[in-house]
Amino acid sequence: GENVEQHPSTLSVQEGDSAVIKCTYSDSASNYFPWYKQELGKRPQLIIDIRSNVGEKKDQRIAVTLNKTAKHFSLHITETQPEDSAVYFCAAVGTASKLTFGTGTRLQVTL
Amino acid sequence: DGGITQSPKYLFRKEGQNVTLSCEQNLNHDAMYWYRQDPGQGLRLIYYSQIVNDFQKGDIAEGYSVSREKKESFPLTVTSAQKNPTAFYLCASSIEPGNTEAFFGQGTRLTVV
Repeated sequence: GENVEQHPSTLSVQEGDSAVIKCTYSDSASNYFPWYKQELGKRPQLIIDIRSNVGEKKDQRIAVTLNKTAKHFSLHITETQPEDSAVYFCAAVGTASKLTFGTGTRLQVTL
Repeated sequence: DGGITQSPKYLFRKEGQNVTLSCEQNLNHDAMYWYRQDPGQGLRLIYYSQIVNDFQKGDIAEGYSVSREKKESFPLTVTSAQKNPTAFYLCASSIEPGNTEAFFGQGTRLTVV
């Protein structure tokens, strides 16, 4: 089955700096890679996603890149703000349409 | 008011008792999922259903059971066979299985004493 690994588990950056979270997946048939943000005490919500026929996607300060050959995908947040502080989860959808999540990255943006 | 609703928010049970967590959606979504969230372990898939009257085991199905008799409802039963049931449980749904956005409920925190 699909295995999604996510690094780092915690990340602290200063306001205005960039943050990068990396994930790898095991199922070469995976074709959809969403990223979710979970603020403290709230439910996870989709912030951006990418499909296997695209190498990069950007939405304002957030971008995601996908390297299918290496089975890597990454989330990039530029000009970080305090409200970006949260737990971020990557996920992959592979065989049998299973939505498998990584273990999460706790991002702390300090002033 | 459309969305996905889990109830109750907090649930306490004695060890050895089965307990059922409710998940209802009025989004007309075909796919529904149950995840368990533990600190440092992310979201682990318990069961998922791609369509009514059908469901598949996820990665940690042992000690859990589900049913999908109605499109709107996907209840999860935590049985006495689950060795470590205390956790935060999240239900989600999506328009179709897999490659579409999943919408999450607010979660149920189950404590077994």
